Amino acid sequence: GQNIDQPTEMTATEGAIVQINCTYQTSGFNGLFWYQQHAGEAPTFLSYNVLDGLEEKGRFSSFLSRSKGYSYLLLKELQMKDSASYLCAVRDSNYQLIWGAGTKLIIKP
Amino acid sequence: ETGVTQTPRHLVMGMTNKKSLKCEQHLGHNAMYWYKQSAKKPLELMFVYSLEERVENNSVPSRFSPECPNSSHLFLHLHTLQPEDSALYLCASSQEFGKGAEKLFFGSGTQLSVL
Repeated sequence: GQNIDQPTEMTATEGAIVQINCTYQTSGFNGLFWYQQHAGEAPTFLSYNVLDGLEEKGRFSSFLSRSKGYSYLLLKELQMKDSASYLCAVRDSNYQLIWGAGTKLIIKP
Repeated sequence: ETGVTQTPRHLVMGMTNKKSLKCEQHLGHNAMYWYKQSAKKPLELMFVYSLEERVENNSVPSRFSPECPNSSHLFLHLHTLQPEDSALYLCASSQEFGKGAEKLFFGSGTQLSVL
């Protein structure tokens, strides 16, 4: 079966750095997405990786290793507004999106 | 403004009621989706429409009935629901369906409670 694993919940301190991991076992691979979802709001697109390596966008970076079936989302200089759920999703060989259950990130002052 | 609008935001219904969820996208996209989001579970794809034709129907019970009258509007008709159907129902759109880098634009969802 196809599976995406990510931690259920993480806690970090304002101003710090946090890394949210995502491991996947899917039938083929056509890219990995990260979405952010604040409570009661729409998920919004953060990043897309299809090749190995690190993609940086401001305070957020996303890393992919296809050989290891592994990705992480790195958030720097954490702000209170970064408290949200972070969803990892992989597009498989049939171009279906396989979703993780999300990681709830709690930022403390 | 996300470009995808869902109404209502909240809905409470009895098991014998009939109700409809509405989604409208203002992005000129060709594909629209219904997802179910339950607490601590992955998003479940329910239906996909591409150019107003249904292309995905992932073993969803018949008490959920989608309708896509045009490329901008999507409905989910609900009847004789069960308490386990209580969840957040998300609508999404994308420029095209089935392409690798295609990202989804989501609405804020309808929080449904079935009593």
